[in-house]
Amino acid sequence: NAGVTQTPKFQVLKTGQSMTLQCAQDMNHNSMYWYRQDPGMGLRLIYYSASEGTTDKGEVPNGYNVSRLNKREFSLRLESAAPSQTSVYFCASKSITDTQYFGPGTRLTVL
Amino acid sequence: AQSVTQLGSHVSVSEGALVLLRCNYSSSVPPYLFWYVQYPNQGLQLLLKYTTGATLVKGINGFEAEFKKSETSFHLTKPSAHMSDAAEYFCAGTSAGNSGYALNFGKGTSLLVTP
Repeated sequence: NAGVTQTPKFQVLKTGQSMTLQCAQDMNHNSMYWYRQDPGMGLRLIYYSASEGTTDKGEVPNGYNVSRLNKREFSLRLESAAPSQTSVYFCASKSITDTQYFGPGTRLTVL
Repeated sequence: AQSVTQLGSHVSVSEGALVLLRCNYSSSVPPYLFWYVQYPNQGLQLLLKYTTGATLVKGINGFEAEFKKSETSFHLTKPSAHMSDAAEYFCAGTSAGNSGYALNFGKGTSLLVTP
């Protein structure tokens, strides 16, 4: 039982490059989330998906897009990376008891 | 919508001393409240949560928290700190007013445990 997995673990991009962060969960959860973590800021919600086929913006969605490919997978795409998107990105899924389970994170640096 | 505030970005305690990490919430509807711990370069691990029922919640690793509606607080405590407790701690909350029950996080408290 892997829980929530994320790939890649680390990534360095140049300004303007694009990339997709992958997330998958094997707990059959309906809701999935993408957060970013910045020093002194806690975690902030980028996008969420309440169920397969639906996605909605969170607090800081600008510069990002998401896809809920199926119930297991929820990807985050940066179309044109900017230095302000340097951060640690966490994916999470929520159980029916309202507990969110987090992946190990992706550390992204944009030069 | 629901929000949380953690008081103190850094807390230092001696090994064996009481750990107290403070969290206050604001919500117009009954909140669900959580404490997560993050060790260096790792993801977040749930320590404990309050949804409904008993206001004193016990979690893993000897931690507990008490939901106090009158004080809008959900402080995290542990009677005796261990060196392995050194980590970043996040208080988080959600409610029916939050998007998809997404969590609102405090800014975190870094716990240092000294010998």
